[in-house]
Amino acid sequence: DTAVSQTPKYLVTQMGNDKSIKCEQNLGHDTMYWYKQDSKKFLKIMFSYNNKELIINETVPNRFSPKSPDKAHLNLHINSLELGDSAVYFCASSRGLAGAIGELFFGEGSRLTVL
Amino acid sequence: TQLLEQSPQFLSIQEGENLTVYCNSSSVFSSLQWYRQEPGEGPVLLVTVVTGGEVKKLKRLTFQFGDARKDSSLHITAAQPGDTGLYLCAGAGGSGNTGKLIFGQGTTLQVKP
Repeated sequence: DTAVSQTPKYLVTQMGNDKSIKCEQNLGHDTMYWYKQDSKKFLKIMFSYNNKELIINETVPNRFSPKSPDKAHLNLHINSLELGDSAVYFCASSRGLAGAIGELFFGEGSRLTVL
Repeated sequence: TQLLEQSPQFLSIQEGENLTVYCNSSSVFSSLQWYRQEPGEGPVLLVTVVTGGEVKKLKRLTFQFGDARKDSSLHITAAQPGDTGLYLCAGAGGSGNTGKLIFGQGTTLQVKP
């Protein structure tokens, strides 16, 4: 069983469209994250949820809206896609509270290409 | 804003050579992690160092946390093609970054047979 799974793995869409990426973890972790990896491989945190509560919200355009229906799921919805949104988006999870970062378990990534 | 700078950014070596990757910051971190990422996959944790001056070994990989907990290094002995990948350092628990890992920009390593 995949520990952190995200879908879709590849997403190609036109500018202006709205798209969602879904993430699920079966590790029983309390905290989940969305990271964005750009073309230079730089990984930057976007959001973090702990037990369904938003705890980290970096400087991300409000076109990006995360939602956590339960602690095992964290979805990312993106409105009005722009060319600069093209990147690989990684979902991750960790055990415990936000102040004590342990190992991050990453999904395989969702490569978003905006044309 | 806390930053972690990795060097070199790219490294291409022959099998059997040794190499060192550096991760430096002006900020203090409570712990530092090293991840390896292969193409098409997410990063996977290699090690976490917590104490200043700590050295950890993982087979041919040696990790060190600086005494002041601002820097770290990864040394690979007798590199093999299987070591090829993107190596990322990540700092946790520094001032103002509670609850998140700050990643370096990564070092892409290619080991040629």
